[in-house]
Amino acid sequence: AQSVTQLGSHVSVSEGALVLLRCNYSSSVPPYLFWYVQYPNQGLQLLLKYTSAATLVKGINGFEAEFKKSETSFHLTKPSAHMSDAAEYFCAVSDQHNTDKLIFGTGTRLQVFP
Amino acid sequence: GAGVSQTPSNKVTEKGKYVELRCDPISGHTALYWYRQSLGQGPEFLIYFQGTGAADDSGLPNDRFFAVRPEGSVSTLKIQRTERGDSAMYLCATNTRGMNTEAFFGQGTRLTVV
Repeated sequence: AQSVTQLGSHVSVSEGALVLLRCNYSSSVPPYLFWYVQYPNQGLQLLLKYTSAATLVKGINGFEAEFKKSETSFHLTKPSAHMSDAAEYFCAVSDQHNTDKLIFGTGTRLQVFP
Repeated sequence: GAGVSQTPSNKVTEKGKYVELRCDPISGHTALYWYRQSLGQGPEFLIYFQGTGAADDSGLPNDRFFAVRPEGSVSTLKIQRTERGDSAMYLCATNTRGMNTEAFFGQGTRLTVV
């Protein structure tokens, strides 16, 4: 069965500091991996996705993630945090060989302090 | 429409009542997914439609939950004899499965059972 684990339910950074949100996956097949962002009382918006092409994936709002098979990781980074980045972030793996349903992690709440 | 539309955005109901939650997909999206997101958790898969048929309903928690998509477009999630534990955000997502495309999420329906 596929799963993802997000380490750290809360992450706090200062504005302008590096953002690092951790995600490790478990999959018996080459995974498709995603990062979504959720603002309060909103649906989910796709930040970026890995679908077995380039291992370094660039997304919207300056975010990027690197797929590391040896570490089974797909950590999300942004060089310089902005106040507007404060939100809940979810890592997900897709059951792409069956229904494409997404299996989500428990989420990481990012706080950005001025 | 331009995006996935879910109605109502908020629903408060009494324990034991019946509720219906509606999802209008992006035009042309054949795949439709329902997820449930409890407070402080990631979304959890409920059911997947490809066209009119429920191709995977393995996530429905019990027989009080049912969903339909009679014409392959709008879907309705139905919950009978609601319980307080059903309180959650219910999210709908749609895509064109098999084309390596992202799933687009609606804004969700927040259900509160009192």
